[in-house]
Amino acid sequence: ETGVTQTPRHLVMGMTNKKSLKCEQHLGHNAMYWYKQSAKKPLELMFVYNFKEQTENNSVPSRFSPECPNSSHLFLHLHTLQPEDSALYLCASSLVTRFDLTNYGYTFGSGTRLTVV
Amino acid sequence: GNSVTQMEGPVTLSEEAFLTINCTYTATGYPSLFWYVQYPGEGLQLLLKATKADDKGSNKGFEATYRKETTSFHLEKGSVQVSDSAVYFCALSDHQTGANNLFFGTGTRLTVIP
Repeated sequence: ETGVTQTPRHLVMGMTNKKSLKCEQHLGHNAMYWYKQSAKKPLELMFVYNFKEQTENNSVPSRFSPECPNSSHLFLHLHTLQPEDSALYLCASSLVTRFDLTNYGYTFGSGTRLTVV
Repeated sequence: GNSVTQMEGPVTLSEEAFLTINCTYTATGYPSLFWYVQYPGEGLQLLLKATKADDKGSNKGFEATYRKETTSFHLEKGSVQVSDSAVYFCALSDHQTGANNLFFGTGTRLTVIP
């Protein structure tokens, strides 16, 4: 257990379904991230939350919608996904300094393996 | 911009062999450099890091030295074990851009055979 917990571990959903991925950390970190890991591609940063505010959205389709209600929880809401969205979705957290956003390294969860049928 | 290039795998070695996984980077500022490892079915774990030039990160017998002159951060281990079989990711975090994002390479799969 790394300290970052993701649920569910596996998810199969149809293209018309709505589901949510959950990420939780109690490490005292103040930044949280969603990454997409597809085969033979670099990890793709999707969303960044610093101090509960979204600071990055790397051109992610609107069918992915993040939510960060507090510094310990992060959600990824999914709707009308496509088969190419099937991937491992990784959540991470880190401690950053507000002054210069120095990164002390991420802690990753084990991921949610998503299959869209 | 920021990017990381690491050697493509897969890499297959016999137990006790010497390991090198090459990683080079481009960055607009003064990056911190990281190696992460992903074991089967798990998320990424921080293996080691270096925050400034000439720093050496080390952990579990793995080492990497931050070489600014060659913009490299190669991962090495003198004697690999079967339990080291995993995917290894090189990454950088660039302070200069004011962002705390990590930029990852594509990963290198290592298989160690007995």
